[in-house]
Amino acid sequence: SAVISQKPSRDICQRGTSLTIQCQVDSQVTMMFWYRQQPGQSLTLIATANQGSEATYESGFVIDKFPISRPNLTFSTLTVSNLSPEDSSIYLCSVYRQGTGEKLFFGSGTQLSVL
Amino acid sequence: AQKITQTQPGMFVQEKEAVTLDCTYDTSDPSYGLFWYKQPSSGEMIFLIYQGSYDQQNATEGRYSLNFQKARKSANLVISASQLGDSAMYFCAMKGGYNKLIFGAGTRLAVHP
Repeated sequence: SAVISQKPSRDICQRGTSLTIQCQVDSQVTMMFWYRQQPGQSLTLIATANQGSEATYESGFVIDKFPISRPNLTFSTLTVSNLSPEDSSIYLCSVYRQGTGEKLFFGSGTQLSVL
Repeated sequence: AQKITQTQPGMFVQEKEAVTLDCTYDTSDPSYGLFWYKQPSSGEMIFLIYQGSYDQQNATEGRYSLNFQKARKSANLVISASQLGDSAMYFCAMKGGYNKLIFGAGTRLAVHP
């Protein structure tokens, strides 16, 4: 069974709207990581989400554009706000799972297309 | 700052042959981890192998092995007996501070019958 359930798997959105991506983990985890993969590119870390505190954003990513919620130890959402075509990417959440060593598990990804 | 470099945008290999995908890294941290992930056309990220900076032996996982040369700061992935299903993007990554993974640009591997 999947470690992380991520949804939606894909969406097509209009410019100026927002999309919220959900990630549900099958066990409690301390940190959840959100990545962006632009077309043909590698993965770039957007932010680290810890339960009970503000997310920590990487350089070039801001909370107004990518607000994150982490209400409990198994769930997180990433919202991509005020969408533009440049936001068309795959967004992935990821976690380290207790008892599996150093392996970072990824959700199946959300393919976002902005028209 | 930490950095991962994959200099091979694309590689070709004949089925059943071995292939090496290159990865070099740069970090000032004495403790770090190196990873390889496979991303098929479906987009999922599949963990392949992990090497810790203090591990004495090269990591192996089935047909995958990591050729870790610490002095040269390289962590090349070796895939033995390539299969058609190995055709995918391969990413090298390094774990540094706060458990964050930094990814290289990736290498697209094509396995020919």
